[in-house]
Amino acid sequence: GAVVSQHPSWVICKSGTSVKIECRSLDFQATTMFWYRQFPKQSLMLMATSNEGSKATYEQGVEKDKFLINHASLTLSTLTVTSAHPEDSSFYICSASRRGHRDGGTDTQYFGPGTRLTVL
Amino acid sequence: GQSLEQPSEVTAVEGAIVQINCTYQTSGFYGLSWYQQHDGGAPTFLSYNALDGLEETGRFSSFLSRSDSYGYLLLQELQMKDSASYFCAVSVYNFNKFYFGSGTKLNVKP
Repeated sequence: GAVVSQHPSWVICKSGTSVKIECRSLDFQATTMFWYRQFPKQSLMLMATSNEGSKATYEQGVEKDKFLINHASLTLSTLTVTSAHPEDSSFYICSASRRGHRDGGTDTQYFGPGTRLTVL
Repeated sequence: GQSLEQPSEVTAVEGAIVQINCTYQTSGFYGLSWYQQHDGGAPTFLSYNALDGLEETGRFSSFLSRSDSYGYLLLQELQMKDSASYFCAVSVYNFNKFYFGSGTKLNVKP
């Protein structure tokens, strides 16, 4: 149990186009979903926190209009990279907190396999 | 803001013990977690500390000192499959938001 999927696993697009990435919790309802980006050999950078039915909370320095997040249900969140540019090329990872499941004192985060975005 | 520091790379031999340190500066600290990530893969949860002391889970143990803003991950009886990147992450304000350190690449040699 506790599987999180992402689609697509990789995508190549032209500069100026928009790309949508889906994150799904397959067998549980997610309290919260998170979006991260990771550059090669670097850390995961939290972009935004997403709760079902409410607006996402973006981290400082992350452009809300560029990275649109929609959290339509307890099992689905989408990240749309609008007007993508080569500098947006990165590994995008989502995670989902599983309602009622805690490791120690914090809700367990289950990570998706990631989506590699390459903008030409 | 949040700041976490880890060594960038550590090398050890099979069967050995290795300790990966993490120091942090953050407001609203709630707990320290550790994640393992193999190349090209997703991070997987290893351990979590909210209180001072040592938490043991099989070959992996994690330690936290809140007063020193310091923690470490201890890996015992190293195996080749332990070669991966290890990230410490702080959670803040009980909102379960995680901020990750820069990661430590562990190389296990025969």
